[in-house]
Amino acid sequence: GQQLNQSPQSMFIQEGEDVSMNCTSSSIFNTWLWYKQDPGEGPVLLIALYKAGELTSNGRLTAQFGITRKDSFLNISASIPSDVGIYFCAGQLTGGFKTIFGAGTRLFVKA
Amino acid sequence: SAVISQKPSRDICQRGTSLTIQCQVDSQVTMMFWYRQQPGQSLTLIATANQGSEATYESGFVIDKFPISRPNLTFSTLTVSNMSPEDSSIYLCSVPNLSTDTQYFGPGTRLTVL
Repeated sequence: GQQLNQSPQSMFIQEGEDVSMNCTSSSIFNTWLWYKQDPGEGPVLLIALYKAGELTSNGRLTAQFGITRKDSFLNISASIPSDVGIYFCAGQLTGGFKTIFGAGTRLFVKA
Repeated sequence: SAVISQKPSRDICQRGTSLTIQCQVDSQVTMMFWYRQQPGQSLTLIATANQGSEATYESGFVIDKFPISRPNLTFSTLTVSNMSPEDSSIYLCSVPNLSTDTQYFGPGTRLTVL
C-alpha cells in the first residue's frame, strides 16, 4: 500500500533555531498536508499544498510540494517553545478524503 | 470550522470488555472518519461512516471488532469490542473541511487496555 517516509523521527533544538523536516513517498499524491498534534489533542492543519512545486507559508512555517509530487518539506523558522509537538505529513489523492499519514516528527524545543 | 467533541476523553478497560466512543460535531456532515493512533505511531484510518449506510472499513479492520453507528448527521460511535492490550491507542474521529479538502479532527479518546 501507499506509505509516507517522514524524517527525522524526532528533533531536539534550541529556541530560535530553524527546523526542517520532510516526507517522501513512492506514490504520487495530488495534495500534501502538514498537521501538528499537541499532547492530548487531535491533529490541526498547518498547511495544505495542492500543486506540484507550490511553496506556501503560514507565519513562521513554510512548506513545499515537490515537483515530482512524491515529496514535501516543512520548515519552521525561529522556533519557540510552543512549537513543541508532533508534526505529521499527509498525502491525499483526488476524489475523496482518504489521507495517508507519515509517522510524525516529534519536535522538542529547549528554551 | 467544525467543533468536534469526543467522549470519553480517556479510559482504562479490562481485557475482553468493550468500549463505545462517541463523536459529536457542531454541524451536519455527510462523512465522518475514525482513526486509530497506536502509541508513538501515525494515524491509520479505520473506517468511513456515512449517515444512512453501512460504514466502509479499511483493510485490516472489520465490523465485528469495530462496529460503528451513524444515527444522524452530527453524531457517530465507534465500539472497540473484546478488547486486548493491543487495542491500547488513541482513537480519533474527523470530519471533512470542504473548503480545503482536508479534515478537522476531534481531541481523541485515549484507551488503555489492561
